[in-house]
Amino acid sequence: GQQLNQSPQSMFIQEGEDVSMNCTSSSIFNTWLWYKQEPGEGPVLLIALYKAGELTSNGRLTAQFGITRKDSFLNISASIPSDVGIYFCAGLPSGTYKYIFGTGTRLKVLA
Amino acid sequence: NAGVTQTPKFRILKIGQSMTLQCTQDMNHNYMYWYRQDPGMGLKLIYYSVGAGITDKGEVPNGYNVSRSTTEDFPLRLELAAPSQTSVYFCASSSDRGNQPQHFGDGTRLSIL
Repeated sequence: GQQLNQSPQSMFIQEGEDVSMNCTSSSIFNTWLWYKQEPGEGPVLLIALYKAGELTSNGRLTAQFGITRKDSFLNISASIPSDVGIYFCAGLPSGTYKYIFGTGTRLKVLA
Repeated sequence: NAGVTQTPKFRILKIGQSMTLQCTQDMNHNYMYWYRQDPGMGLKLIYYSVGAGITDKGEVPNGYNVSRSTTEDFPLRLELAAPSQTSVYFCASSSDRGNQPQHFGDGTRLSIL
């Protein structure tokens, strides 16, 4: 089946640093979503992107829908300890309503 | 505002036992989904439903069954539990437009021993 490549798999960063992660696909997607999952909880939606080239912010988080429609990027500025968690991307292939999920980026922030 | 509620939160089963994972949502969403999440992996779709009385298989449906008798509820049934079904199970729902984001429950952590 279709797969998303999400990178990096994990990141250890110092508090205050900026973070970048991305997802790529071999297929064109109509929608990109970014979720955060904390231990013992379900994924929580951070940002939704619906058009190629779209750039959307949610506080210190900014995500972009790649112009080729095959990738998406998430940036976190000035990281803080509560940013710790697993960040997942999800893409919606054209002609379906079943999202494909990436394998996640585990973020750890060192104070 | 409850959103998507899953019960139980944890369960240990013996091989061959059966159980039902419950999922209910109070957002009047027609679309509902069941996923499993294995360590280090993304979410794999087990079954989904686009409305009461309508269900369909996802990517990994073997060993599971679902029903959708009401808009609110979407239970997942394991008939003969196997160790390979040890996982964290998430239920999600979304509104009618197919590209709308999915809202997740907190998951059920299931161990088959």
